[in-house]
Amino acid sequence: EAQVTQNPRYLITVTGKKLTVTCSQNMNHEYMSWYRQDPGLGLRQIYYSMNVEVTDKGDVPEGYKVSRKEKRNFPLILESPSPNQTSLYFCASSFRTGNGYTFGSGTRLTVV
Amino acid sequence: AQKVTQAQTEISVVEKEDVTLDCVYETRDTTYYLFWYKQPPSGELVFLIRRNSFDEQNEISGRYSWNFQKSTSSFNFTITASQVVDSAVYFCALSETFSSGSARQLTFGSGTQLTVLP
Repeated sequence: EAQVTQNPRYLITVTGKKLTVTCSQNMNHEYMSWYRQDPGLGLRQIYYSMNVEVTDKGDVPEGYKVSRKEKRNFPLILESPSPNQTSLYFCASSFRTGNGYTFGSGTRLTVV
Repeated sequence: AQKVTQAQTEISVVEKEDVTLDCVYETRDTTYYLFWYKQPPSGELVFLIRRNSFDEQNEISGRYSWNFQKSTSSFNFTITASQVVDSAVYFCALSETFSSGSARQLTFGSGTQLTVLP
């Protein structure tokens, strides 16, 4: 089944404790992206990647890192999480044409 | 730059009423894609429809219909005879080519919370 798999689905952590949210797709998509969703703001792009070893900042990249060492994986790294990073996170992938996006199920992160 | 505006933050209707969710977009691209997604209380994003910029034909799928008008840069979504299960947040989104032309970026509106009361 074609899908984007995010893990974990739920995570509660403490301020400053490094964490990684994984994202994997099995559709050979070139493009992958991370979004965060906050009430009243919709989904905002954090980082995106057009292919292996090619990443770039989205609209809200501060406090996040990503890597794209393999085409299928695009982990989101929070090196020192803070409470303002409490949010619902989505990973998405697509072909370059951008005519269809597949989203993961989301990760609810709470930083206390 | 691109922008998607969903001016209706929250809408409440009584079951069986028709409801229209508005979406207005801005883009300088001539080729772009528009999407609608549904987010039920469980949180996942459910794809509803994609429309490319060259296809202004309206679409109907069961109780759902979409009205795409390039002249007003709008892509509105109507639910006919609404049901309680339609209660969700609905997002409109725009996919536009990066300046490099190598890929596209998906930008979302802020969403409309639809509540259908029994």
